Amino acid sequence: QVQLQESGPGLVKPSETLSLTCTVSGGSISSYYWSWIRQPPGKGLEWIGYIYYSGSTNYNPSLKSRVTISVDTSKNQFSLKLSSVTAADTAVYYCARVSVVVTAAMRGYYFDYWGQGTLVTVSS
Amino acid sequence: SSELTQDPAVSVALGQTVRITCQGDSLRSYYASWYQQKPGQAPVLVIYGKNNRPSGIPDRFSGSSSGNTASLTITGAQAEDEADYYCNSRDSSGNHPVFGTGTKVTVL
Repeated sequence: QVQLQESGPGLVKPSETLSLTCTVSGGSISSYYWSWIRQPPGKGLEWIGYIYYSGSTNYNPSLKSRVTISVDTSKNQFSLKLSSVTAADTAVYYCARVSVVVTAAMRGYYFDYWGQGTLVTVSS
Repeated sequence: SSELTQDPAVSVALGQTVRITCQGDSLRSYYASWYQQKPGQAPVLVIYGKNNRPSGIPDRFSGSSSGNTASLTITGAQAEDEADYYCNSRDSSGNHPVFGTGTKVTVL
């Protein structure tokens, strides 16, 4: 059973960089896409970006200028950096695995395994 | 604003059927996936692809799609189904994932 666990500081000062790591256990990080998703308190889910195990990335256009996602296959980990944070970046941050289903008609991407989430508060 | 629109809230009597919809142009080209989220917990995948349930998800959950609308149906709703439900698919460009606005389901 694949398990994901987020780790990193729970408090970040405004204008600084938020850094989180997701450790994958119970399976290899290879051959999948891995994603970061966040949820501000009381609000909905927002996709941040994903990375393929080979290193190729795809970011939410609204966050692209501030986001970097990287992968370390030797440690079965991937990481998120979000720069120049403000209070609006306060949220629960989740890591998740991305899978794909393809039929003759269409294809679909889905997040099949999630971490428990970690609350990051931006405050001085 | 999200490119996938959901009704903010719906209610259903215990044991009855409820349908949650998700509208967006990308749903004509990409399957939706559906997630259940209970307070203080991470989202859980309940439906993906045309109508696939992950292991452990009860068969009272089903999915369907027509045109620009995807639907999640709970047939015989149970008290434990009370939660927020989010759809997910691609944005209008097809290049990026996007989540729906979310629907709060109350079981009466």
